[in-house]
Amino acid sequence: GNSVTQMEGPVTLSEEAFLTINCTYTATGYPSLFWYVQYPGEGLQLLLKATKADDKGSNKGFEATYRKETTSFHLEKGSVQVSDSAVYFCALSNSGAGSYQLTFGKGTKLSVIP
Amino acid sequence: GAVVSQHPSRVICKSGTSVKIECRSLDFQATTMFWYRQFPKKSLMLMATSNEGSKATYEQGVEKDKFLINHASLTLSTLTVTSAHPEDSSFYICSARRPGLAGGSSYNEQFFGPGTRLTVL
Repeated sequence: GNSVTQMEGPVTLSEEAFLTINCTYTATGYPSLFWYVQYPGEGLQLLLKATKADDKGSNKGFEATYRKETTSFHLEKGSVQVSDSAVYFCALSNSGAGSYQLTFGKGTKLSVIP
Repeated sequence: GAVVSQHPSRVICKSGTSVKIECRSLDFQATTMFWYRQFPKKSLMLMATSNEGSKATYEQGVEKDKFLINHASLTLSTLTVTSAHPEDSSFYICSARRPGLAGGSSYNEQFFGPGTRLTVL
C-alpha cells in the first residue's frame, strides 16, 4: 500500500535559517507528490506539487524535487520567516489506482523565532 | 483558484445530539469529495470518499451509521455526526477533487475546506 514518512519535529529555527523537512514515500505505480501547509486553526493549503520524476515544485520560496530513485520529496527553503510557522504535510496521490485519495505523512510543526 | 468552504467553522453541541457539517465547492463542480478527521498533533485520517449521486465509501473502522455522508449535488457534500459523544470532538476537514484532463497537472488535485471544530459536551 501507499505510505508517507516525514520527520515529525517539532522544528524550531531562527528567522533566515535554512529549512529542510525530509519526506520519503512508498507507493505502487507513479504517484503525484504534494506538500500542504496548515496554519493554526485553519485547513490545509497546497504549497507545491510534482507529478512526475525529476519535477521540481516551488512556491513562496519553498522547493521540493521528486526523486524517484530515492523515493523522496524533501521540502526546502533557503531563508525562513516567522510567517512560515505552521504544520507541513507531505502527501501522495496515486490516481493510477483510480481512487484519487491522498495519503498523508504525520506532519511536521515548524516554529520560526525572530 | 478553486475555493472550498465549510460551514459551520465551529460548533458546540450536547452529547446525544446530531450535527451537520456542509462542504461546498464554490467555483467548480466536484464529483468526488473527501472527509477527514484530524486529532490534535496528528495527521489527517481519511474517513470516507463521497461521490455525487452514489453512496459514500467509508474507510475501515469508520462507522457509517454514525457519520452519515450525503453528496446531493456536484457542489455540496454533508457530514452528519449522529448521536454525538465527547470522543467525537475533533477537527473535521473536507476536500473536493477538481476534475481535469487526464495527465494534466491538475488531474488529481484536491482543494481543502478550512475545517470545522466540533466540541461535544
